[in-house]
Amino acid sequence: AQSVTQPDIHITVSEGASLELRCNYSYGATPYLFWYVQSPGQGLQLLLKYFSGDTLVQGIKGFEAEFKRSQSSFNLRKPSVHWSDAAEYFCAVGATTDSWGKLQFGAGTQVVVTP
Amino acid sequence: SQTIHQWPATLVQPVGSPLSLECTVEGTSNPNLYWYRQAAGRGLQLLFYSVGIGQISSEVPQNLSASRPQDRQFILSSKKLLLSDSGFYLCAWVMNTEAFFGQGTRLTVV
Repeated sequence: AQSVTQPDIHITVSEGASLELRCNYSYGATPYLFWYVQSPGQGLQLLLKYFSGDTLVQGIKGFEAEFKRSQSSFNLRKPSVHWSDAAEYFCAVGATTDSWGKLQFGAGTQVVVTP
Repeated sequence: SQTIHQWPATLVQPVGSPLSLECTVEGTSNPNLYWYRQAAGRGLQLLFYSVGIGQISSEVPQNLSASRPQDRQFILSSKKLLLSDSGFYLCAWVMNTEAFFGQGTRLTVV
């Protein structure tokens, strides 16, 4: 079974600074990988996804993520954060052999943006 | 385009009362549907998923049940709520392994 670890529960970053959120996964084959963002009291919005091909994936809102097979990681980055980026971020993994498409989510990283 | 609706948005229920949360999907047929729960300060836990009418799989033992009476309708229920059932419940529709989420229901059991 696949699993996801987000080591950072909470990150505080200054507006305009860079942001990197860590995600490590466990899965026997190449997984499907996702990053979602959740604003307070809202559902989840997909930021980006990796299925195969180029290991650097571009998403919405200026985010990107890099798949590193050797490190079993899929870290999310943004060069310059905006106050509107304050939210909770979830990494998720889907099994390529699972036709039902079940996703396993990490515990999430809360991002606080300071002026 | 496809959309997913959940209601109610918020709910406060006493311990021991029944529960019914509804999720409907528009713009697609035979979707894979999922119920997730997000407890306070925790990630999302998959509760149930369904790949068709009347087909329900449970991921974790619990006080809840799910039903799929129609192709695009997915219902989460309980006969008697517990305090531990409080949380944020999210319905999701999955297509090609990508999940699309509803706006969620905030359930507080008092």
